Amino acid sequence: EIVLTQSPATLSLSPGERATLSCRASQSISRYLAWYQQKPNQAPRLLIYDASTRATGFPARFSGSGSGTDFTLTINGLEPEDFAVYYCQHYSNWPPITFGQGTRLEIK
Amino acid sequence: EVQLVESGGGLVQPGGPLRLSCAVFGFTFSNYGMNWVRQAPGKGPEWIAYISKNRDRIYYADSVKGRFTISRDYARNSLHLQMNSLGAEDTAVYYCARNMPGQVYFDYWGQGTPVTVSS
Repeated sequence: EIVLTQSPATLSLSPGERATLSCRASQSISRYLAWYQQKPNQAPRLLIYDASTRATGFPARFSGSGSGTDFTLTINGLEPEDFAVYYCQHYSNWPPITFGQGTRLEIK
Repeated sequence: EVQLVESGGGLVQPGGPLRLSCAVFGFTFSNYGMNWVRQAPGKGPEWIAYISKNRDRIYYADSVKGRFTISRDYARNSLHLQMNSLGAEDTAVYYCARNMPGQVYFDYWGQGTPVTVSS
């Protein structure tokens, strides 16, 4: 089973700042990584797939990068609506499909 | 508009069964693999089951294998999850989720249905 480790667990930033979230895989997953945004009492929403392709509806301030075992989600110029929990998920060599434990992005 | 609408959740006693359903709208159901993903309170999502578009591949997470059964009904455009031998560890919000053809990331999710296992 591929384990995804996200860091930090919580990130406290102010609107307008840049957020950098990390996801590390226990073995190489090429670029088979997705990111999701989840707000309270809502289902996760697909944000990034194939490590760097932005899903429909998300603005260009969201970007993903990485390959192999190390991946990054960057949010430039944080807007109030960006404060949420972010999860990474792999889809390489499955089953099982696994998620990271999440990074909570909170307003400082 | 793509919509996934789960139903069937509720309170169930330990050891009991429960059947979840997911009605889908706005896309050709037979063209997509489907999944169940659950999320325990305060935890991250956990993928638990997958069924391919033509039912020739079915996979489960180890945590539910032998207790849960995923199925799909093309006539009714619906996905189901039969859950047996439920325990407290199965308490979660259960989501159905569509995966993109060829890749198992989840582009559409339902709103979720809560399942609580308690006496």
